[in-house]
Amino acid sequence: DGGITQSPKYLFRKEGQNVTLSCEQNLNHDAMYWYRQDPGQGLRLIYYSQIVNDFQKGDIAEGYSVSREKKESFPLTVTSAQKNPTAFYLCASSFDRGNQPQHFGDGTRLSIL
Amino acid sequence: AQSVTQPDIHITVSEGASLELRCNYSYGATPYLFWYVQSPGQGLQLLLKYFSGDTLVQGIKGFEAEFKRSQSSFNLRKPSVHWSDAAEYFCAVDSAAGGSYIPTFGRGTSLIVHP
Repeated sequence: DGGITQSPKYLFRKEGQNVTLSCEQNLNHDAMYWYRQDPGQGLRLIYYSQIVNDFQKGDIAEGYSVSREKKESFPLTVTSAQKNPTAFYLCASSFDRGNQPQHFGDGTRLSIL
Repeated sequence: AQSVTQPDIHITVSEGASLELRCNYSYGATPYLFWYVQSPGQGLQLLLKYFSGDTLVQGIKGFEAEFKRSQSSFNLRKPSVHWSDAAEYFCAVDSAAGGSYIPTFGRGTSLIVHP
């Protein structure tokens, strides 16, 4: 079955450390997204990519970086510049057409040691 | 810019009772509208979607939603709630402007089900 795989499920970061969250999809979707979820704030868009080798900043891109070297992969790096990284991170994908909903992975919970 | 408001942070219902979760959107043209459900520690699962046509949309798990243009609303309903429906529910709107798909999500409504 097609879907989105996020790993790891839980991740711990030390102060000053960069960490990378993995997102892989086998849905053949063109578009991929990263969201951050904090309690009571819903989902906030970090970065999105509509095609390989191209990506755009979302609403809260500062302190994060991404790459899209392959259609099926969209890793997110939480850099040391992100001062409050503790959150639940969700990856999503969709066909790059306006009438398709997003499919979501099961998320990665990032915490600071 | 598009926006979504879910005015209820928490909703508590008894098992077997009916449910209505509110969603109001702000967008000039006819939007694409979605409801998602999220169980604790999980990703979001699509319950239903509205693109055009019949304003009453049927979804999975016995849920339905009605698009009311005059009220800019897309409320989610279920006639009889089960304990397994306890979860976080998100409404989302997308304009599909320029062919890109960047939905805006509401802050979510937490559903608590009493036995």
